[in-house]
Amino acid sequence: QQQVRQSPQSLTVWEGETAILNCSYEDSTFNYFPWYQQFPGEGPALLISIRSVSDKKEDGRFTIFFNKREKKLSLHITDSQPGDSATYFCAARNTGYQNFYFGKGTSLTVIP
Amino acid sequence: EAGVTQSPRYAVLQEGQAVSFWCDPISGHDTLYWYQQPRDQGPQLLVYFRDEAVIDNSQLPSDRFSAVRPKGTNSTLKIQSAKQGDTATYLCASSGGGQDTQYFGPGTRLLVL
Repeated sequence: QQQVRQSPQSLTVWEGETAILNCSYEDSTFNYFPWYQQFPGEGPALLISIRSVSDKKEDGRFTIFFNKREKKLSLHITDSQPGDSATYFCAARNTGYQNFYFGKGTSLTVIP
Repeated sequence: EAGVTQSPRYAVLQEGQAVSFWCDPISGHDTLYWYQQPRDQGPQLLVYFRDEAVIDNSQLPSDRFSAVRPKGTNSTLKIQSAKQGDTATYLCASSGGGQDTQYFGPGTRLLVL
């Protein structure tokens, strides 16, 4: 069973637009949700994360919105730049157990 | 501070051959993870260690895969008899100090012909 699901699988936006990446999860005990950015040929790198006690987390152009009741979260990238073109992974875990579950990723393309 | 390093970066094998991947985590990190990332998918945990102890290897195909971290620092992941289905990128990550953040290495891209 896929513990973490992401949509869309791929997304194309114009430079300057807001990209919205969605994530949902199954296990209600998950309480930590990092988003990773991965460029081709590289390992994933932590972009931004949120804990389940919060409903929003901002870091510059990147914002996570979290809905615990619906077990959903989304990553908003405002003023998208071509350099943001990458694959984004949503992950989740219960901090009492160090195993992370990753979604299949959203491939973002930002057109200049 | 040096990041997580992995070697080799690429490997090409025929089915049935063996291969080993090596990982050097960030200095001082007590937890080390090995993930398999098939093409166009997210990382999937194979095994993770805290210091030299295996904490969870339930997703490691034990008949052909093995992993060790004998001194609680570097780690080796070995595939005894590779299959085409093992074609993927193998990622190593580490974390430490009770922090949640995992730091990933660049991965080893394996192609089994």
